[in-house]
Amino acid sequence: TQLLEQSPQFLSIQEGENLTVYCNSSSVFSSLQWYRQEPGEGPVLLVTVVTGGEVKKLKRLTFQFGDARKDSSLHITAAQPGDTGLYLCAGAGSGGGADGLTFGKGTHLIIQP
Amino acid sequence: EAQVTQNPRYLITVTGKKLTVTCSQNMNHEYMSWYRQDPGLGLRQIYYSMNVEVTDKGDVPEGYKVSRKEKRNFPLILESPSPNQTSLYFCASSLTHRGPEAFFGQGTRLTVV
Repeated sequence: TQLLEQSPQFLSIQEGENLTVYCNSSSVFSSLQWYRQEPGEGPVLLVTVVTGGEVKKLKRLTFQFGDARKDSSLHITAAQPGDTGLYLCAGAGSGGGADGLTFGKGTHLIIQP
Repeated sequence: EAQVTQNPRYLITVTGKKLTVTCSQNMNHEYMSWYRQDPGLGLRQIYYSMNVEVTDKGDVPEGYKVSRKEKRNFPLILESPSPNQTSLYFCASSLTHRGPEAFFGQGTRLTVV
């Protein structure tokens, strides 16, 4: 079983601050996805990164895939209360397994006004 | 509108009373899966299906059954629910087991007393 570890587990910061969330594994993934989940809803895809070293930007969010495709980070610039939520990373295995995505346990992010 | 629909959203039941949670997707996706989400444990896969009549166990299959008689539907069956199955359940679908994106239903909050 491939494992993804996310850190920190909880993060509470003030509006306007920057933050970085990490997603690490000892396994290589063919791709890695980031999802955001709000209370009472299902996770919604933010981005998929495929190539080692790839960087993708989504407004104030910057996603990076590690060179070895074992880890990823999510950086938020000038966080806003609307960024509050549970952020999940998920990896698609590089092997032939049919079991789909492996999810990290998530980072609970609270942005205080 | 592309969506995954789960029903019911909320369910309170008693130990031992069989129940079914329905899941339907309108995107003609081949891959569907069920997850449970518990505090501190994240999303854990219960069962998945690569296509019609093809299902397999995920990480936590005990106490659950699934069927995939049609491509769009993937019901989750609890033959004899127990209190330790109290959880938040999500159905998800994607084009293939590698994604590119998993679409989630809105979740079913199940309480077994």
